[in-house]
Amino acid sequence: GESVGLHLPTLSVQEGDNSIINCAYSNSASDYFIWYKQESGKGPQFIIDIRSNMDKRQGQRVTVLLNKTVKHLSLQIAATQPGDSAVYFCAESLYSTLTFGKGTMLLVSP
Amino acid sequence: KAGVTQTPRYLIKTRGQQVTLSCSPISGHRSVSWYQQTPGQGLQFLFEYFSETQRNKGNFPGRFSGRQFSNSRSEMNVSTLELGDSALYLCASSYQLSQGSSYEQYFGPGTRLTVT
Repeated sequence: GESVGLHLPTLSVQEGDNSIINCAYSNSASDYFIWYKQESGKGPQFIIDIRSNMDKRQGQRVTVLLNKTVKHLSLQIAATQPGDSAVYFCAESLYSTLTFGKGTMLLVSP
Repeated sequence: KAGVTQTPRYLIKTRGQQVTLSCSPISGHRSVSWYQQTPGQGLQFLFEYFSETQRNKGNFPGRFSGRQFSNSRSEMNVSTLELGDSALYLCASSYQLSQGSSYEQYFGPGTRLTVT
């Protein structure tokens, strides 16, 4: 498959563990934040989003936390599965322009 | 509903040539954005089109250009290709009513451009 990044931070977990992926964003004016998952050879896939007027949002097995004070975003994945193995990107948005973080590679072993 | 489609999926060009990439957004989406993804720089924003007008532009040289048609399909063009233009070019579409609010963007599979 295609490499989406070299020298990415890597998080290795066991199947069934909870995973937490962190991201620092840069623009305090950003009003919208998204987490994307990218598998080898594919485009980024939307996971979950959160607007700046919220600090937590839950989806199916995923939770996003936003701390605007320190400009920090995290993605929590419950009961991580081998199919969750991918590169995860956070993105911040202001006026429809997305700025992506460098990404974190999540490796899930059975 | 069909997703974002990009053509071609793979392309090999030589330095100095020009290339045109195509993107068809999700039906009903009027905003199309283009991104360049490389191992060294990650995902970088190129430009965004909405209703045939470029609304936002990233920090790329003028060799990179784009356009959007009345059916929201978009093309991007790179002239005078350089080796450093080798990358995965991603297109994303979004349902937006107007500028000033952000909505989730749906990505296509990308076009892998190799410049030799």
